[in-house]
Amino acid sequence: GEDVEQSLFLSVREGDSSVINCTYTDSSSTYLYWYKQEPGAGLQLLTYIFSNMDMKQDQRLTVLLNKKDKHLSLRIADTQTGDSAIYFCAERGADTGRRALTFGSGTRLQVQP
Amino acid sequence: DVKVTQSSRYLVKRTGEKVFLECVQDMDHENMFWYRQDPGLGLRLIYFSYDVKMKEKGDIPEGYSVSREKKERFSLILESASTNQTSMYLCASGVGTTVVFFGQGTRLTVV
Repeated sequence: GEDVEQSLFLSVREGDSSVINCTYTDSSSTYLYWYKQEPGAGLQLLTYIFSNMDMKQDQRLTVLLNKKDKHLSLRIADTQTGDSAIYFCAERGADTGRRALTFGSGTRLQVQP
Repeated sequence: DVKVTQSSRYLVKRTGEKVFLECVQDMDHENMFWYRQDPGLGLRLIYFSYDVKMKEKGDIPEGYSVSREKKERFSLILESASTNQTSMYLCASGVGTTVVFFGQGTRLTVV
């Protein structure tokens, strides 16, 4: 079945850029998503990208998609302590019988002052 | 703003109890989902529903059932709670092939 993989942990200093990486196996993925989860909370949609795009920018967030390598990344510019959270990558395949997203296990971002 | 509301933030139940987790969305979304989140395992899909009274099993449906009698409400039922069902449960809703919005989560502890 579909699989989404992320590294478990990333530590950066405040003010630096963070890059969180994700790989997926489903070549028919239509949408790819990034969610943020703060402690004790549900998931908050940060941004998403359609599979025919290779980049999307939204303020401090830049999403890069390499469809050939099935690689997705989230870059956070000028990382702040409030960005400390778990970041989940997710994908939705083209199979209309499967309307749910497949999630990675999450990357914990720790921002050090 | 899309709102997905789960009825409880924290629940403590005894082994063998029947447990109901309720979720309501106010955006007339056709799709609703229940996920379970465990450390190191990410989110795993339990069940989803794409219409009233319609449901489909996800990856880990064993020990769970669901009910969708109205479009805005999707309930997750633990028929006989067990300690291995201690987890964070996340409800979500979405429309068509696009984005999915999550509730704040219910942390269930089965003792």
